[in-house]
Amino acid sequence: KAGVTQTPRYLIKTRGQQVTLSCSPISGHRSVSWYQQTPGQGLQFLFEYFSETQRNKGNFPGRFSGRQFSNSRSEMNVSTLELGDSALYLCASSPSYRETQYFGPGTRLLVL
Amino acid sequence: AQSVSQHNHHVILSEAASLELGCNYSYGGTVNLFWYVQYPGQHLQLLLKYFSGDPLVKGIKGFEAEFIKSKFSFNLRKPSVQWSDTAEYFCAVDDYKLSFGAGTTVTVRA
Repeated sequence: KAGVTQTPRYLIKTRGQQVTLSCSPISGHRSVSWYQQTPGQGLQFLFEYFSETQRNKGNFPGRFSGRQFSNSRSEMNVSTLELGDSALYLCASSPSYRETQYFGPGTRLLVL
Repeated sequence: AQSVSQHNHHVILSEAASLELGCNYSYGGTVNLFWYVQYPGQHLQLLLKYFSGDPLVKGIKGFEAEFIKSKFSFNLRKPSVQWSDTAEYFCAVDDYKLSFGAGTTVTVRA
């Protein structure tokens, strides 16, 4: 099976812009989670989607949002970008809720 | 939310040495436990997991971990490391959302 794929892999934006990141889960996986990885804060949970419904959300401002489509693909959006949003954004998929998560390569976002 | 502590930030070893990485989490209940590894230039990969049953679990590449419920711990071990084990290791706890430790960088000298 193909692994989790994320697009784009690299992105440069300026403050105030918005960005949309995409994640395609492993075939058959219905749960998708998003994480932010930074040197200072480590890996932090953003949100989890299962069957198009957000099941859980981390402690991030409302500028961070996501959605899941009927084919389980997911997108996350960050509006009004800030310098501190520069990070590696990881997507993980699992067959169902609370099962082992498999990670994609991430999208590296740089905000200037 | 769970707090996950990894005891060491950076560990430097010689090949054939034994490795043990500590991981503690903040509170009990029904949790699933994981160790993930990130090799240089690669993405996070699952090393091993514990959901229930035998508290000693075996993973890939000769790694094992022991779950001690009374200590809220899930320590990772490998009897004899190789240069290729150089990586960053993350402990993670799932109590309805996955919380990660800060990671331990392991450098194995040839």
